[in-house]
Amino acid sequence: SQTIHQWPATLVQPVGSPLSLECTVEGTSNPNLYWYRQAAGRGLQLLFYSVGIGQISSEVPQNLSASRPQDRQFILSSKKLLLSDSGFYLCAWTVVRATEAFFGQGTRLTVV
Amino acid sequence: AQSVAQPEDQVNVAEGNPLTVKCTYSVSGNPYLFWYVQYPNRGLQFLLKYITGDNLVKGSYGFEAEFNKSQTSFHLKKPSALVSDSALYFCAVRSLTGTASKLTFGTGTRLQVTL
Repeated sequence: SQTIHQWPATLVQPVGSPLSLECTVEGTSNPNLYWYRQAAGRGLQLLFYSVGIGQISSEVPQNLSASRPQDRQFILSSKKLLLSDSGFYLCAWTVVRATEAFFGQGTRLTVV
Repeated sequence: AQSVAQPEDQVNVAEGNPLTVKCTYSVSGNPYLFWYVQYPNRGLQFLLKYITGDNLVKGSYGFEAEFNKSQTSFHLKKPSALVSDSALYFCAVRSLTGTASKLTFGTGTRLQVTL
């Protein structure tokens, strides 16, 4: 069966420090991968999605970037974190033209 | 452009009573609709989906949802609420962009079930 791993679960980082969050999917190949951010425990905002290795689409301009170095690996990065980057980050995947998406357990990022 | 509206920030219901969490949508073409549930500090769990077919869709944990095309609604329902159903519920609609499948979420409705 397919599973998705996301780590770390929580992270506290100072302003100006770099960021790297990792997400990997097992049990499927060529998934579509997504990074969402959830602010204040409510709505989800799509940040990036990827349909293949090295293919990244950005939904909103921001201080973050994403990369997909391997088929089932999706990385969210920042060179210098801002206070406004704090939030709950969720990785998700679907197979091509499938229906529902499946989510990782999330990373709670606090920038101090 | 597609969108989802969840008009209620919070729904309160007593255990054993029926519950409804409302969702309306706007999308070009046929809608693919979903409900997810989120417990504190956790990822989203898939509950149910509507793709085609019967307007009443049954999902996990006794939840069901009714698709109404004329009202562009997809309300989540459960005949008898449990305290353990208390969580944040999201409605979502899917669009296809090339080979990608993007979900657009509503703002969420917090369900509080009390004894």
